[in-house]
Amino acid sequence: ELKVEQNPLFLSMQEGKNYTIYCNYSTTSDRLYWYRQDPGKSLESLFVLLSNGAVKQEGRLMASLDTKARLSTLHITAAVHDLSATYFCAVDIRANSGYALNFGKGTSLLVTP
Amino acid sequence: IAGITQAPTSQILAAGRRMTLRCTQDMRHNAMYWYRQDLGLGLRLIHYSNTAGTTGKGEVPDGYSVSRANTDDFPLTLASAVPSQTSVYFCASSDSSGTGRVFSSYNEQFFGPGTRLTVL
Repeated sequence: ELKVEQNPLFLSMQEGKNYTIYCNYSTTSDRLYWYRQDPGKSLESLFVLLSNGAVKQEGRLMASLDTKARLSTLHITAAVHDLSATYFCAVDIRANSGYALNFGKGTSLLVTP
Repeated sequence: IAGITQAPTSQILAAGRRMTLRCTQDMRHNAMYWYRQDLGLGLRLIHYSNTAGTTGKGEVPDGYSVSRANTDDFPLTLASAVPSQTSVYFCASSDSSGTGRVFSSYNEQFFGPGTRLTVL
């Protein structure tokens, strides 16, 4: 059974600080996705990582994938309040339910002044 | 419409009633999915469809059924609602065939706005 574990599940950080969210998964996969969800809203795609060593950056967020370690990280640089949201990682393994994704439980991020 | 839509936005339902949640996408994506989101449990897959005419069971399919008569629509039916089905339901779609109208990276899923369902 595929397990996708995120940590931390809750994160409160000050504006201007840096932090990393971790996503570990238990089965071989070359595809990992990061999503953002604002309270009461739907999920928005942030990053698609399709190979070992993939790194993508958008603004203050940078995501990376190490398929050998079965680990992805989402690094936050100089956090601002607008980054407050819940972040989900999701893993795609073709052997499980066709093309569906397996999601972690999410990391709730609160950026405070 | 643009993207993926769901209806209704929210619904309060008496236990034992039948309910169909609607989902429509105009991106010509071949694959569609239904998830439920519950506090502390993240998103869990209910049913999926890799292409029109086919469906499959996800992690939590009991009490739910789906159909995929065409590419665009993927309704989710609760035959006899129970309180444990109180949740937020998200429909999603993805293009794994490369022929969709809206380009997406392999299996990048686009989510609808969600339906908040309360079963009393």
